Amino acid sequence: QKEVEQNSGPLSVPEGAIASLNCTYSDRGSQSFFWYRQYSGKSPELIMSIYSNGDKEDGRFTAQLNKASQYVSLLIRDSQPSDSATYLCAVILYNFNKFYFGSGTKLNVKP
Amino acid sequence: DTGVSQDPRHKITKRGQNVTFRCDPISEHNRLYWYRQTLGQGPEFLTYFQNEAQLEKSRLLSDRFSAERPKGSFSTLEIQRTEQGDSAMYLCASSLALDEQFFGPGTRLTVL
Repeated sequence: QKEVEQNSGPLSVPEGAIASLNCTYSDRGSQSFFWYRQYSGKSPELIMSIYSNGDKEDGRFTAQLNKASQYVSLLIRDSQPSDSATYLCAVILYNFNKFYFGSGTKLNVKP
Repeated sequence: DTGVSQDPRHKITKRGQNVTFRCDPISEHNRLYWYRQTLGQGPEFLTYFQNEAQLEKSRLLSDRFSAERPKGSFSTLEIQRTEQGDSAMYLCASSLALDEQFFGPGTRLTVL
C-alpha cells in the first residue's frame, strides 16, 4: 500500500465547473497536508496547506481534511483552462522526518 | 519564481560519470530537501537538512549519492558513477521550520 494514493485521472471538467480532487493516506500520524500544482515540465507549485480537520478556503480553492477517514481533498471552483495541470497531494510527518507525495491527478479543464 | 534556485537546469552525462547539482534555498529557510521525480510519478524524498545537519536519508539514496549543506546555506547533491536509472528530475525545496516547502525549478538529468 502506498503512503499517499491519488487517482491518476485524467479528470475532465468543463470551464466554470467545480473540479474535485481526492487523496487518501495510510499513516495516521500524518500532521501536515499540502496540495501542489505541477505543469508539464515544471516543478511543483504550492497551492494550499491544511493542518486540522475541516475546510480551508483560499480564493477559488478549498482544501478539506478528514483525519478520521484519512482523506484530503481539493475543490477548485470556476475551473479555468489555466488550471489544467497535475495536482499532487503531499503528506508530511515532521516528527518522524517522513515526506510523502502522491503520484498526482491530471486535471483537464475544457473551454 | 519561489526564490529557490538550482543549477544546472539540465545535465546530460555518460554512464559512469560523476555529476554534482547545486541548490540555493530561500535565504531565511533553515530546512532544505532533495527529491527525485520520474515521469508520471510524484516527487520521492531523498534527503533533508536542518541548517547544516543531514537529519534524514532515504533508502533510495544509495552509496553513490551524497549530499552536503556546508554552513547551512546552499546544498550540493553528487551522484557518482551515474547509471541510466538515475535519469530523472532532481528537485530541491526549502522551508522555514516545520512549514510549507517551496520547490526550485529542478535539474533534469539524462544519463546516456
